[in-house]
Amino acid sequence: ETGVTQTPRHLVMGMTNKKSLKCEQHLGHNAMYWYKQSAKKPLELMFVYSLEERVENNSVPSRFSPECPNSSHLFLHLHTLQPEDSALYLCASSPSIGRSTEAFFGQGTRLTVV
Amino acid sequence: GESVGLHLPTLSVQEGDNSIINCAYSNSASDYFIWYKQESGKGPQFIIDIRSNMDKRQGQRVTVLLNKTVKHLSLQIAATQPGDSAVYFCAEGNFGNEKLTFGTGTRLTIIP
Repeated sequence: ETGVTQTPRHLVMGMTNKKSLKCEQHLGHNAMYWYKQSAKKPLELMFVYSLEERVENNSVPSRFSPECPNSSHLFLHLHTLQPEDSALYLCASSPSIGRSTEAFFGQGTRLTVV
Repeated sequence: GESVGLHLPTLSVQEGDNSIINCAYSNSASDYFIWYKQESGKGPQFIIDIRSNMDKRQGQRVTVLLNKTVKHLSLQIAATQPGDSAVYFCAEGNFGNEKLTFGTGTRLTIIP
């Protein structure tokens, strides 16, 4: 265990559904990240939060909506997704912004959109 | 845009042998490079990093070599063990920028 926990581990949802991914870290870190890992594609950074404030949004479609209520929790709200959004969604945390090399990753949520 | 790529998608190595995984990068202005290991069903795990002003860095059973002339990065794993079986990918980044550029990965299989 890396100290970053993601739930659920697997999720199947229809294109009209609304679901949320949850990430929790117990490392006392101040920065949290959402990444998307598609099959045979490099890891893509989606969002970065620092002390509950969003500091980066890498041109992610609005059907993905992040929420960071406190520095230990990060959510990714999903609605009206497309089949091409099927991927492994990884959460990570690091001590602070600018220390992404010290990031710990969760095990990811395997999302399938049908 | 800049990209990070890997020469081989798969690599099989006999247990106990050394393995070398390669990575080509195109951004000569990157400040540092990272190697990650991702086992099946798990998230990426940091292995080792190297700053652009270094040529070599050693860790426990791992060595990363950086050749800036040809923009090439390699990860050497000594005396491979079954637990080394995983996907390995490199990433490059710049200080002050949260966005890392990742490679697609090489699947290393250790043959008992």
